[in-house]
Amino acid sequence: DTAVSQTPKYLVTQMGNDKSIKCEQNLGHDTMYWYKQDSKKFLKIMFSYNNKELIINETVPNRFSPKSPDKAHLNLHINSLELGDSAVYFCASSQDRGFTSGNTIYFGEGSWLTVV
Amino acid sequence: DAKTTQPTSMDCAEGRAANLPCNHSTISGNEYVYWYRQIHSQGPQYIIHGLKNNETNEMASLIITEDRKSSTLILPHATLRDTAVYYCIVRALKAAGNKLTFGGGTRVLVKP
Repeated sequence: DTAVSQTPKYLVTQMGNDKSIKCEQNLGHDTMYWYKQDSKKFLKIMFSYNNKELIINETVPNRFSPKSPDKAHLNLHINSLELGDSAVYFCASSQDRGFTSGNTIYFGEGSWLTVV
Repeated sequence: DAKTTQPTSMDCAEGRAANLPCNHSTISGNEYVYWYRQIHSQGPQYIIHGLKNNETNEMASLIITEDRKSSTLILPHATLRDTAVYYCIVRALKAAGNKLTFGGGTRVLVKP
């Protein structure tokens, strides 16, 4: 019963291809995120969606397009893949309670993307 | 969100308490201290968080100084499975658009 699940776990693809990573959470949360962890191991937020609405977009190239068909899903589509896109992509979710403290973010296990 | 400073790495003996320090001297009154860890090849895992008071849960204890400029995460009886990168994050909660900003963290190696 994985709370935040991502597929695929591993993806190797050629430059120029278009690929998608899917994410689903069964926690009933209303907010979902995509984070990127590069080769230097720094974790950086890319996007955040609240109730299917884009809330955070951290200057990510237009080639990255998140799509949230419903509150439980946030998929990441990447066009024209580049070598620099190789990284681990983590999906996450939380229940956005605003100013209250119970806003814990739960992460998936990651999707390892390698562009060759 | 305020910036945090953590040691790059530390070793700990199995079965002993691990004390992980974090400096957040520019923390604001409405900012919480969160701790996450990332075990190799896994996603970040929530450990604990607090605002002013010390907190304890089944995983760890969080000690926040009275001036809130620093805190210590305590793993009471470290096991080999606690080997991970530990992130101290200071975070203000907003009406919307809440996020975590990760720094470099402390690489903790628990040794037998």
